[in-house]
Amino acid sequence: GQSLEQPSEVTAVEGAIVQINCTYQTSGFYGLSWYQQHDGGAPTFLSYNALDGLEETGRFSSFLSRSDSYGYLLLQELQMKDSASYFCAVKGTGGKLIFGQGTELSVKP
Amino acid sequence: EAGVAQSPRYKIIEKRQSVAFWCNPISGHATLYWYQQILGQGPKLLIQFQNNGVVDDSQLPKDRFSAERLKGVDSTLKIQPAKLEDSAVYLCASSHLSGGASGELFFGEGSRLTVL
Repeated sequence: GQSLEQPSEVTAVEGAIVQINCTYQTSGFYGLSWYQQHDGGAPTFLSYNALDGLEETGRFSSFLSRSDSYGYLLLQELQMKDSASYFCAVKGTGGKLIFGQGTELSVKP
Repeated sequence: EAGVAQSPRYKIIEKRQSVAFWCNPISGHATLYWYQQILGQGPKLLIQFQNNGVVDDSQLPKDRFSAERLKGVDSTLKIQPAKLEDSAVYLCASSHLSGGASGELFFGEGSRLTVL
């Protein structure tokens, strides 16, 4: 089977840096994606790691360690608009994308 | 480019009634997914199509849920009969390649179902 674990809630202040961790167990692994979802909105793609290491896209970075079955999303220079739910998702066999339960990020002024 | 279109946006039905949701993926996207997202949880994959063939439907409750993708473009998800626990947002997503070339799926705005 497949399972993903991530914290349910994280709180941070504007301008700070926050890290959202994700650990996974899967029978087939091709990569780890991160999605953002605002209340009532559709999930939107943030990043993807197929290989070990850090991928940077503007204020957001994502890291993967395949040997540890672990990844994280790093958000820098937090803004109020970053308040949302963040999901890690494993790309498995057949291109199946399995999502975690999500981390609700609250950014305070 | 137009995004993934879904309808209806909202639907309220009573238990044991039936409901159908429609999805039009991004033009040229061969892979189409239906996810169920219950409030406060992550999206749960119900079914994945590659063109008009089913790749994975292991999590689809086949006694009450059905889905089809005729002609490899539009798709319909049906629930019959609905139960209270089916109250959720039904998200349709598409990608050019299976799982997205870079793990990227494009999601529609979803269809919010309330079962009373």
